[in-house]
Amino acid sequence: GQQLNQSPQSMFIQEGEDVSMNCTSSSIFNTWLWYKQDPGEGPVLLIALYKAGELTSNGRLTAQFGITRKDSFLNISASIPSDVGIYFCAGSPLGRFGAGTRLTVKP
Amino acid sequence: GAGVSQTPSNKVTEKGKYVELRCDPISGHTALYWYRQSLGQGPEFLIYFQGTGAADDSGLPNDRFFAVRPEGSVSTLKIQRTERGDSAVYLCASSLRAGGQGNGYTFGSGTRLTVV
Repeated sequence: GQQLNQSPQSMFIQEGEDVSMNCTSSSIFNTWLWYKQDPGEGPVLLIALYKAGELTSNGRLTAQFGITRKDSFLNISASIPSDVGIYFCAGSPLGRFGAGTRLTVKP
Repeated sequence: GAGVSQTPSNKVTEKGKYVELRCDPISGHTALYWYRQSLGQGPEFLIYFQGTGAADDSGLPNDRFFAVRPEGSVSTLKIQRTERGDSAVYLCASSLRAGGQGNGYTFGSGTRLTVV
């Protein structure tokens, strides 16, 4: 079963709003990864975090690797319709994934 | 190759039959992972290869599931005596080094297995 707790399970937001989602684990990870999955496709890597406390941005996306190495968050600023999809966190080296956050953006 | 390739993209089989799912990772990626994804769920870890050996097979649900990677490149996931509950999308991912180091895991598009 899943070892990562990801929340929220789903979000319905208006275009232009900011979004925040997070992941927690009882295990320590060396790497936190955030992925987005579109229907019928495999997950695509958005951001990789390799160091506790690290804050990394990729365009409108920002993610942080928690100091305890047991949690991470992903923020999306100024959401747009193409942000719709399912977002997954993953912890390494175990290669385990959270259950996902389903994001819906209303134009 | 340029990406992770999985074949077939869709497979429909009868209950009790044997199936093989193939994964061709990115050239040079030493680590290869198999996941199973059910509708509305995150990828569920099955097995991880480092080179030719299975470094962690703790996610395989039972002994009907088996995977090989004989030359450290292409991998085959084998399912014997398929059951309806095996229906899912089977995803393969590879990474440059163990643990997703070197830019995380790159996924294929998956094989959608339907057992009827």
